[in-house]
Amino acid sequence: ETGVTQTPRHLVMGMTNKKSLKCEQHLGHNAMYWYKQSAKKPLELMFVYNFKEQTENNSVPSRFSPECPNSSHLFLHLHTLQPEDSALYLCASSLIGDYEQYFGPGTRLTVT
Amino acid sequence: DQQVKQNSPSLSVQEGRISILNCDYTNSMFDYFLWYKKYPAEGPTFLISISSIKDKNEDGRFTVFLNKSAKHLSLHIVPSQPGDSAVYFCAASAAAAQKLVFGQGTRLTINP
Repeated sequence: ETGVTQTPRHLVMGMTNKKSLKCEQHLGHNAMYWYKQSAKKPLELMFVYNFKEQTENNSVPSRFSPECPNSSHLFLHLHTLQPEDSALYLCASSLIGDYEQYFGPGTRLTVT
Repeated sequence: DQQVKQNSPSLSVQEGRISILNCDYTNSMFDYFLWYKKYPAEGPTFLISISSIKDKNEDGRFTVFLNKSAKHLSLHIVPSQPGDSAVYFCAASAAAAQKLVFGQGTRLTINP
């Protein structure tokens, strides 16, 4: 695998389900990010992790719970989501200090 | 309040001609700007960037121009090719912060 990978690519879940999104980067980066892209809205930063420590939480509701066990892996744990949480969730990585971030293909989430 | 705006949701250009994509920003603290390109079912791909100490950066067919007084940047693609058909996102960052602020995107279609 190369670059940034995300699984699953598509996910449909009910409001009472618990699911997790996974991201892995193969670029030797030390910072990882979660973004959300809702329909007809810009990408919004959700969380930033540097050296697996969370450094930014952009006022994200607690039903989204990130986890970063090491610099290569990032998870987003989802529970009791709302239909308005349906969106494309993108993971990205970078070297700390670099502006350029490299994105995965995203997980298309639908909450029913 | 949207700090980065791409006011044209779509743009159609004939193959071989110049494509010009525009982006406006409101935050004078932004000091680094990036353009990303996104194909369907893929994540955004970094294309080109510019620091606020420059007014132009060129990479092959792609040139980004920055007008700080107008808080405006543009991406020029010349000559345009069918493979350039994608959604283009403008992004901005302030003071080496890892928080990229994105515009809504412009869908570019190159017609043969």
